[in-house]
Amino acid sequence: DADVTQTPRNRITKTGKRIMLECSQTKGHDRMYWYRQDPGLGLRLIYYSFDVKDINKGEISDGYSVSRQAQAKFSLSLESAIPNQTALYFCATSDPSGTHGIHEQYFGPGTRLTVT
Amino acid sequence: DAKTTQPTSMDCAEGRAANLPCNHSTISGNEYVYWYRQIHSQGPQYIIHGLKNNETNEMASLIITEDRKSSTLILPHATLRDTAVYYCIVRVEGSNYQLIWGAGTKLIIKP
Repeated sequence: DADVTQTPRNRITKTGKRIMLECSQTKGHDRMYWYRQDPGLGLRLIYYSFDVKDINKGEISDGYSVSRQAQAKFSLSLESAIPNQTALYFCATSDPSGTHGIHEQYFGPGTRLTVT
Repeated sequence: DAKTTQPTSMDCAEGRAANLPCNHSTISGNEYVYWYRQIHSQGPQYIIHGLKNNETNEMASLIITEDRKSSTLILPHATLRDTAVYYCIVRVEGSNYQLIWGAGTKLIIKP
């Protein structure tokens, strides 16, 4: 079973709808991240969380919100989806005490979101 | 934050060493260099990181120039499964630990 899972894997929604993307991990890591990737570009950080009570904005947080329900769960919400939020969304985790410490992030398989 | 410059695409013959360059001329003394790769549209995979010294692991070697303005990722014996987009990334050791991703290099391994 995958260590970092994301649901749904694909989602098509309409402008103005509220949607939630979910991320779960079995790695026992405290740190979790949400990124988006636009075609042909690298990843950009939306939000990150270093523990259940810690939420931080990333580079492009406008239009998004997150919830850290438990150590293993980190959800991303689009309050009112718009077409330019069409992208590939990745969740990631990291563990400061791991083999490569804070330097390695483990990514989920991604959620492809289309807003029409 | 420092930024990176990479060639858009590269080819390499299967079995040969793939050398991927990265320019990070504005890097500062406490910024690490990271390499990740992304196969198709899967989640990115960590390869290696370094600060000043050259590094080697089971996947690759990282050669950082003495002035730290550029680096090269070396895949010693490329296979078809190494076809991917390779990202050279820098990160500031600070309170937010954000990775600054560029567009990467599309590496195509040819039989």
